[in-house]
Amino acid sequence: GQNIDQPTEMTATEGAIVQINCTYQTSGFNGLFWYQQHAGEAPTFLSYNVLDGLEEKGRFSSFLSRSKGYSYLLLKELQMKDSASYLCAVRDNNAGNMLTFGGGTRLMVKP
Amino acid sequence: DVKVTQSSRYLVKRTGEKVFLECVQDMDHENMFWYRQDPGLGLRLIYFSYDVKMKEKGDIPEGYSVSREKKERFSLILESASTNQTSMYLCASSLTQVGPSNQPQHFGDGTRLSIL
Repeated sequence: GQNIDQPTEMTATEGAIVQINCTYQTSGFNGLFWYQQHAGEAPTFLSYNVLDGLEEKGRFSSFLSRSKGYSYLLLKELQMKDSASYLCAVRDNNAGNMLTFGGGTRLMVKP
Repeated sequence: DVKVTQSSRYLVKRTGEKVFLECVQDMDHENMFWYRQDPGLGLRLIYFSYDVKMKEKGDIPEGYSVSREKKERFSLILESASTNQTSMYLCASSLTQVGPSNQPQHFGDGTRLSIL
């Protein structure tokens, strides 16, 4: 099986930087996804990592260390609209390449 | 843009009823998925399908069945609804990937189902 852990809630200030961590245990790692989900809406794809290192997309970056079973999502220049849940999901090739999701991190951005 | 459409945003049903949740995608994706989302538990996979008339059990298939008669449509069926099936249900679709792939799953807006 898989175990994916991320903090339940975080609070940050508008304009600041926040890092959301995700740790995982899996036997056949085949990629990690981050999704954003606003309340009452569909999760939307943010980023994908399969190799170690940092992937940058504008204000959002995602980092992966396969040896540590660790990823983080970095949000810069926070805006109020970034208040949402952030979901970490791991693909396992020993589980039919299906995604297993963490419980999500609810981020609240304050003025 | 990929569009995944779920037939209802909110649904209220009674214990013992047979409930159908419908999902349609417009991007010719081979794979379709049904999840339920509960506070603190994240998204849990109920069933998925990788082709027409094909289905595979996910992590929590008990009490559910699915139907995929056409490529674009994937239905989730609660055979006899129970109160513990009150949840948010999310449908997703994706292209088939071989090896490492960044093909994400695309989600519908969800159906909030209440069983009374």
